[in-house]
Amino acid sequence: AQSVTQLDSHVSVSEGTPVLLRCNYSSSYSPSLFWYVQHPNKGLQLLLKYTSAATLVKGINGFEAEFKKSETSFHLTKPSAHMSDAAEYFCVVSLSGNTGKLIFGQGTTLQVKP
Amino acid sequence: KAGVTQTPRYLIKTRGQQVTLSCSPISGHRSVSWYQQTPGQGLQFLFEYFSETQRNKGNFPGRFSGRQFSNSRSEMNVSTLELGDSALYLCASSGRTGLPDTQYFGPGTRLTVL
Repeated sequence: AQSVTQLDSHVSVSEGTPVLLRCNYSSSYSPSLFWYVQHPNKGLQLLLKYTSAATLVKGINGFEAEFKKSETSFHLTKPSAHMSDAAEYFCVVSLSGNTGKLIFGQGTTLQVKP
Repeated sequence: KAGVTQTPRYLIKTRGQQVTLSCSPISGHRSVSWYQQTPGQGLQFLFEYFSETQRNKGNFPGRFSGRQFSNSRSEMNVSTLELGDSALYLCASSGRTGLPDTQYFGPGTRLTVL
């Protein structure tokens, strides 16, 4: 079965320091992988997506993620955290050929301290 | 370009009632997916419609149903509401071609069942 595991439910960083949000996936097929962000009382915003092109994917707001098939990981990073990055982040897998169904990780809450 | 819109944004209902939520996709998108978000279960896939046909279905009881109109707008209906149906309901649109594509989310409808 396909699944996504976000290894940390809560991450706290200081403003200006690097961010690392960890995600492992399990899939029998070639997956499409996404990171979405959700600010309080808002919908989900796409940060970036991987669809079997370059393994290093750049997204919006300085975020990037690297697809590592050998480790079945898709960790999200940002060199320098900003206060506005405080939100909940979801790692998501979409099954190849199974359009329209996304499987979400449980989410990681990112806290950014001044 | 207008994003995904959902109406209403907030709803309060009592147990046993039914409710209908509406979703208007991004112009040109033909696929609409629905998700339920709760603190305990996270984000779970309800169903997906493409060109007025249900294409995928999640593991929810038959009280949850949906439909899609010829203009791609979609509605979901929940009958005989239970307290556990209190959640944020998100819809997402994608797919001009029917192939796997990025999903763009609306702001959600917050349903409270008393």
